[in-house]
Amino acid sequence: GAGVSQSPSNKVTEKGKDVELRCDPISGHTALYWYRQSLGQGLEFLIYFQGNSAPDKSGLPSDRFSAERTGGSVSTLTIQRTQQEDSAVYLCASSSQNQETQYFGPGTRLLVL
Amino acid sequence: AQRVTQPEKLLSVFKGAPVELKCNYSYSGSPELFWYVQYSRQRLQLLLRHISRESIKGFTADLNKGETSFHLKKPFAQEEDSAMYYCALRGTGFQKLVFGTGTRLLVSP
Repeated sequence: GAGVSQSPSNKVTEKGKDVELRCDPISGHTALYWYRQSLGQGLEFLIYFQGNSAPDKSGLPSDRFSAERTGGSVSTLTIQRTQQEDSAVYLCASSSQNQETQYFGPGTRLLVL
Repeated sequence: AQRVTQPEKLLSVFKGAPVELKCNYSYSGSPELFWYVQYSRQRLQLLLRHISRESIKGFTADLNKGETSFHLKKPFAQEEDSAMYYCALRGTGFQKLVFGTGTRLLVSP
């Protein structure tokens, strides 16, 4: 079956603009995660969804970052007033009810000029 | 706090040589440990996890709670093993993964 998909695959934006990144999890997966991979950094956790609720938002770096999930499926990560330090690869992952294995999408590469 | 340390950014070996990618962690409870791998132009994927105690593609990893380590080993490296390897931890009651900064393994012919 189809894996986790993310769009766009690449996004170039100007400092100060808002961006939306989309994640389509594997069908039937109830858990969804967002991570960020910056140059020279490991993968940093941003937010975790179980269904439509987000019990763990501890990794969101500032209030410019927000995310939502609707219908227990698609999730959108929004970055407002982008800054150059937001440039990174944003990865989405999903997992099933037992939440043992997280399956990752291909990522969205964001470049803020 | 949960922390994963991978001290080597790059590990370069010749085909057929043994490989050990180091991973140390910091966590006060009983963690779940994972190794993820990212081959060139592919997405990040699970390689193995300590709970399964399995060998995948010839790789093994043993959780050493005394040394708080979860090193990844393979007795004879192959060129197709060249990839980026990430060690990850999940704490008790948490769902998120905490990743190390990764080690790039380069296997030369």
